[in-house]
Amino acid sequence: SQTIHQWPATLVQPVGSPLSLECTVEGTSNPNLYWYRQAAGRGLQLLFYSVGIGQISSEVPQNLSASRPQDRQFILSSKKLLLSDSGFYLCAWSVFAGRENTEAFFGQGTRLTVV
Amino acid sequence: AQKITQTQPGMFVQEKEAVTLDCTYDTSDQSYGLFWYKQPSSGEMIFLIYQGSYDEQNATEGRYSLNFQKARKSANLVISASQLGDSAMYFCAMREGTAETGTASKLTFGTGTRLQVTL
Repeated sequence: SQTIHQWPATLVQPVGSPLSLECTVEGTSNPNLYWYRQAAGRGLQLLFYSVGIGQISSEVPQNLSASRPQDRQFILSSKKLLLSDSGFYLCAWSVFAGRENTEAFFGQGTRLTVV
Repeated sequence: AQKITQTQPGMFVQEKEAVTLDCTYDTSDQSYGLFWYKQPSSGEMIFLIYQGSYDEQNATEGRYSLNFQKARKSANLVISASQLGDSAMYFCAMREGTAETGTASKLTFGTGTRLQVTL
């Protein structure tokens, strides 16, 4: 069965420090991968999505970057965190199956607090 | 322009009553998918129901049904016989892009509706 691992679950980082959040998927190949950010009590903002190794689409200009070094690994990074980067970060995956149901499966999320 | 619009930031419903959560969408794709997710206070995202743009029948999953009106571009979620455990945030989402066209499978969410079920 397919599983998605996202870590760490919580993170407190000082302003100006680097960030690396990792997400890996098991049990599937060539998934679509997504990074979302959710501010407290708000909706999910799509940050990046990827349809293959090295293929990253960015949705909004920001202080973050994403990479996909392997088929089932998706990394969210920042060189210098800002206070506004605080939030709940969710990784998700889905696969295409033509017209069939292809819901996205989510990781448990990382709650990032920048202090 | 917003791709997914959820106009109800918060809703209250009494236990055992039905409730409708609104969702409208905007896309020029012919093939797309619509989803509803539930997010309890724990933060996990729970998939509830899916409607494909080519599906002629409204999707149903247990107490959840999706009122799909393609011409109006709406995909409202109906929860029947509400339970206290239904209290959560509910998100409508849309997948655009198809394997046939080779475009990316972009999955966009609305801002959510917080549902509170009362006794």
